[in-house]
Amino acid sequence: ETGVTQTPRHLVMGMTNKKSLKCEQHLGHNAMYWYKQSAKKPLELMFVYNFKEQTENNSVPSRFSPECPNSSHLFLHLHTLQPEDSALYLCASSPGQGGPHTQYFGPGTRLTVL
Amino acid sequence: AQSVTQLGSHVSVSEGALVLLRCNYSSSVPPYLFWYVQYPNQGLQLLLKYTSAATLVKGINGFEAEFKKSETSFHLTKPSAHMSDAAEYFCAVSEGETSGSRLTFGEGTQLTVNP
Repeated sequence: ETGVTQTPRHLVMGMTNKKSLKCEQHLGHNAMYWYKQSAKKPLELMFVYNFKEQTENNSVPSRFSPECPNSSHLFLHLHTLQPEDSALYLCASSPGQGGPHTQYFGPGTRLTVL
Repeated sequence: AQSVTQLGSHVSVSEGALVLLRCNYSSSVPPYLFWYVQYPNQGLQLLLKYTSAATLVKGINGFEAEFKKSETSFHLTKPSAHMSDAAEYFCAVSEGETSGSRLTFGEGTQLTVNP
């Protein structure tokens, strides 16, 4: 498998559920990103990891919890979400610091919070 | 701080017509600029990028963009639209070495191609 993959592609969850989104990159990159894409809004950068260390958190609510166990995998743990959190969540990767490097995106997870 | 403005959230053209999608940027240092395309239910795919080499950049699928520093613009063009070009297009800016790969995206332009 090549590129950036995300699972699941679609997720429906209640506000009291706990779920996780997974991202995996097969490009040998060292930086990974989570974005939120809502209708009629620009892409919002949520988190950035470089060499497994979180280097950016754009004031994301604590109900979103990222995890980066290694440079190839990135998770987004979700708990007690709100309906306004429904969106497309995109993962991306790039070679790392010292850019500007192209970011490569996964297909996204379409999240619906009921 | 860097920012991107895409003029026109929706652009509609006829098949075979010129495609022009506008992007203006703001950056405190020489920028690096990108155009991405997003097809329905997919992630973003890089069309082309400007990284301070030639000001006219050619990308995939017949698209090209010209960096104009005096106008702080990076408009995307294609001479002849195809039905398969219908998608959402995003312009993005990076402030180069100082920000690594951090990108700031515009709000996107939805391109419709009419038969």
